[in-house]
Amino acid sequence: EVQLVESGGGLVRPGGSLRLSCAASGFPFSSYSINWVRQAPGKGLEWVSSINYNSNIIYYADSLKGRFTISRDNAKDSLYLQMNSLRAEDTAVYFCVRGGSGATKYDLFDIWGQGTMVTVSS
Amino acid sequence: QTVVTQEPSLTVSPGGTVTLTCASSTGAVTSGHYPNWFQQKPGHAPRALIYSTDNKHSWTPARFSGSLLGGKAALTLSGVKPEDEAEYYCLLYDGGTRVFGGGTKLTVL
Repeated sequence: EVQLVESGGGLVRPGGSLRLSCAASGFPFSSYSINWVRQAPGKGLEWVSSINYNSNIIYYADSLKGRFTISRDNAKDSLYLQMNSLRAEDTAVYFCVRGGSGATKYDLFDIWGQGTMVTVSS
Repeated sequence: QTVVTQEPSLTVSPGGTVTLTCASSTGAVTSGHYPNWFQQKPGHAPRALIYSTDNKHSWTPARFSGSLLGGKAALTLSGVKPEDEAEYYCLLYDGGTRVFGGGTKLTVL
């Protein structure tokens, strides 16, 4: 079965750090770009970051201002999101989402994980 | 940063046709924005419907179609069913970054 499974969410104090993971299975992970997308409670979707298949091309949403770092380990079929200096407004469900294959510019965004909840609160 | 705008809400009757649009603050939406469309129902992860303007996924019902219309990306639902009631989001490629629209709440009434 083709799937993405996120983990690592939880409750963290403002200013703290958290590392999210996303485990892929059922498809050639190393051939696809992967994205992180988040959704605050009761709000819309917000694209967070993307990493291409070989980690050479990485993008972040401007709103993150250098606090988040995306990475991947193709040997482990895994994606990561290191989140530092967390704020209350980072509270959201974080989804990992399959992008495009190889060097294609367009994203499929076809496979979504179930999401992991991050709550930033004192 | 680019702002992507969708209709906040639309209402359609069962069996009817409705078009949702997706506009960019930087100008006309083109195929180079590779528009994606998603459907989300409460308590569920989003489900992809359309990629790269007008391409359907294998699970996308035939009544959903994507296009470019008047400088915007568009999602048209023809022969709407009650189960199409949901929130719909567009996503645009913006020179590397991606930007979601604010979503359209579609009511089938």
